[in-house]
Amino acid sequence: EPEVTQTPSHQVTQMGQEVILRCVPISNHLYFYWYRQILGQKVEFLVSFYNNEISEKSEIFDDQFSVERPDGSNFTLKIRSTKLEDSAMYFCASTLPPADTQYFGPGTRLTVL
Amino acid sequence: QKEVEQNSGPLSVPEGAIASLNCTYSDRGSQSFFWYRQYSGKSPELIMSIYSNGDKEDGRFTAQLNKASQYVSLLIRDSQPSDSATHLCAVNSLADGLTFGKGTHLIIQP
Repeated sequence: EPEVTQTPSHQVTQMGQEVILRCVPISNHLYFYWYRQILGQKVEFLVSFYNNEISEKSEIFDDQFSVERPDGSNFTLKIRSTKLEDSAMYFCASTLPPADTQYFGPGTRLTVL
Repeated sequence: QKEVEQNSGPLSVPEGAIASLNCTYSDRGSQSFFWYRQYSGKSPELIMSIYSNGDKEDGRFTAQLNKASQYVSLLIRDSQPSDSATHLCAVNSLADGLTFGKGTHLIIQP
């Protein structure tokens, strides 16, 4: 069964460094999403991406964040200058319209020291 | 601001019994409703979706939606130890991301 994959599973970085989190959505899906979950808190929407542009973004998704689909398979989330409070699990998800069921990848645990 | 509210629990249910999970949402424009299960340290796994008022059954699971009351519920029959997880209620429209509740921690007692 097709699934969303994410790499790396765990990323440790120093505060102020740039990180790129990678996702490979399900191959025929068209909408892509990033979410984050701070330890012990709820899953929060960051951004949705369709047709090579951002569809919607939350208040969390500020200028430190960017997304890109550099080729036909990868979908990346870049954090330009990480802060301690960026430490969280980051989940990628995808869906194929007209269905709107989102399928989640296993997540990347980001630890900012 | 869209909000989804759930009782955080823990909700403790004997094995084989029915577990009842509830959720309310604030945005009357919400069109799609989902239940996900999340084990500790793992990603959300879809249990089922519901779009219309009424009940929807899938195996041991029944989702119920009442748009007038802005209320969604999930019944789990014949609860199994593998159902022990945090159950997340989520709502959305297509372009928007999912708005999740904090989840209900369900414990199935053997």
